[in-house]
Amino acid sequence: LAKTTQPISMDSYEGQEVNITCSHNNIATNDYITWYQQFPSQGPRFIIQGYKTKVTNEVASLFIPADRKSSTLSLPRVSLSDTAVYYCLVGDNSGYSTLTFGKGTMLLVSP
Amino acid sequence: KAGVTQTPRYLIKTRGQQVTLSCSPISGHRSVSWYQQTPGQGLQFLFEYFSETQRNKGNFPGRFSGRQFSNSRSEMNVSTLELGDSALYLCASSALAGVFYEQYFGPGTRLTVT
Repeated sequence: LAKTTQPISMDSYEGQEVNITCSHNNIATNDYITWYQQFPSQGPRFIIQGYKTKVTNEVASLFIPADRKSSTLSLPRVSLSDTAVYYCLVGDNSGYSTLTFGKGTMLLVSP
Repeated sequence: KAGVTQTPRYLIKTRGQQVTLSCSPISGHRSVSWYQQTPGQGLQFLFEYFSETQRNKGNFPGRFSGRQFSNSRSEMNVSTLELGDSALYLCASSALAGVFYEQYFGPGTRLTVT
């Protein structure tokens, strides 16, 4: 299973764009890259998923370079309510993959 | 559409007892996965069920078991509870088999073992 590495914490201010990078050097051909957001005492919430290049939805953008060894979650114009832990996960939908959440990145947005 | 529901929300048990947690997935979802979250270990995968069959299992002892019913509802059982089993237990549902399809998480069951 591909292991991911992401910063432990990040700080930002309201209205700024935040980019969280995740490293996954041994990503496999069939693996997807998925990001989840978690608030305290709640279950994680799916943000975005991609395989290559760029994916955008109403919440975020995901940038994946050609070698797929890293990915960047981009949150445009963050607000205080974006303060949460963000998890990067890598794997496929075979019966051998598990959602391994790791420590995630604690994003703190200040006024 | 109603979200994933878990019952009970809070539970206090004594060492050595057993506990059963319940999860009702989003209507139409056939995949249910279970996770344990603790401050020290983070969020760890327990198992995934799809169409009443266990499809995948994490690295937990045999005291942790689960099952899924024909209506996709799932239960998780922990026998011979230990203090270290105190955690938030989360279940998630998905329309398709495979934990890398979009998972919808429930609010969790907070289990305290004394």
